[in-house]
Amino acid sequence: NAGVTQTPKFRILKIGQSMTLQCTQDMNHNYMYWYRQDPGMGLKLIYYSVGAGITDKGEVPNGYNVSRSTTEDFPLRLELAAPSQTSVYFCASSYSPIAGVTDTQYFGPGTRLTVL
Amino acid sequence: EDKVVQSPLSLVVHEGDTVTLNCSYEVTNFRSLLWYKQEKKAPTFLFMLTSSGIEKKSGRLSSILDKKELSSILNITATQTGDSAIYLCAVEADYGGSQGNLIFGKGTKLSVKP
Repeated sequence: NAGVTQTPKFRILKIGQSMTLQCTQDMNHNYMYWYRQDPGMGLKLIYYSVGAGITDKGEVPNGYNVSRSTTEDFPLRLELAAPSQTSVYFCASSYSPIAGVTDTQYFGPGTRLTVL
Repeated sequence: EDKVVQSPLSLVVHEGDTVTLNCSYEVTNFRSLLWYKQEKKAPTFLFMLTSSGIEKKSGRLSSILDKKELSSILNITATQTGDSAIYLCAVEADYGGSQGNLIFGKGTKLSVKP
């Protein structure tokens, strides 16, 4: 199992550009998450998904979009990049046998994004 | 390859017990070690330990960083059922720049029974 993989590892964007951060997991987990980690701060949840076709907002969704067309993939889209979106982005997945109960989240290696 | 290993993977205790969770790491350029508590969705930040701050305490929780042994422990005294959660350890590696990359362990699932 590769676990949770993210691409790219690093990216520099200009203000106003768009990009998609890719996330794939091969553990057949139903739950997937996107976080951002800013210096000195804890993880902040951007969006999450409880299964294919279902997504929901987290704590800081503004400026981002997601889709979940398959169990494996959960891409994060930035439409108009802003300097405030400079951060390290983590994708995670977990298995939930029943609604409201979820096991350990497995994290990807992160994508470091800089917006200039 | 950088890695973080937590032990045990799961633990069941009774209220009032004291527990110790372990985190060991192999990271090329260590910057800091973080502990998180995961109950529902987003993990909650507990502590950050660095070379200049190797011991932190908050209420019944405390954590120590042992840079010589490349490890950290998280202690919880007088456990309560509300402490039941998955505890994640993450190590920040310095790859240059103002912020390092986090490498997460697989977590320790703690269950506290009444």
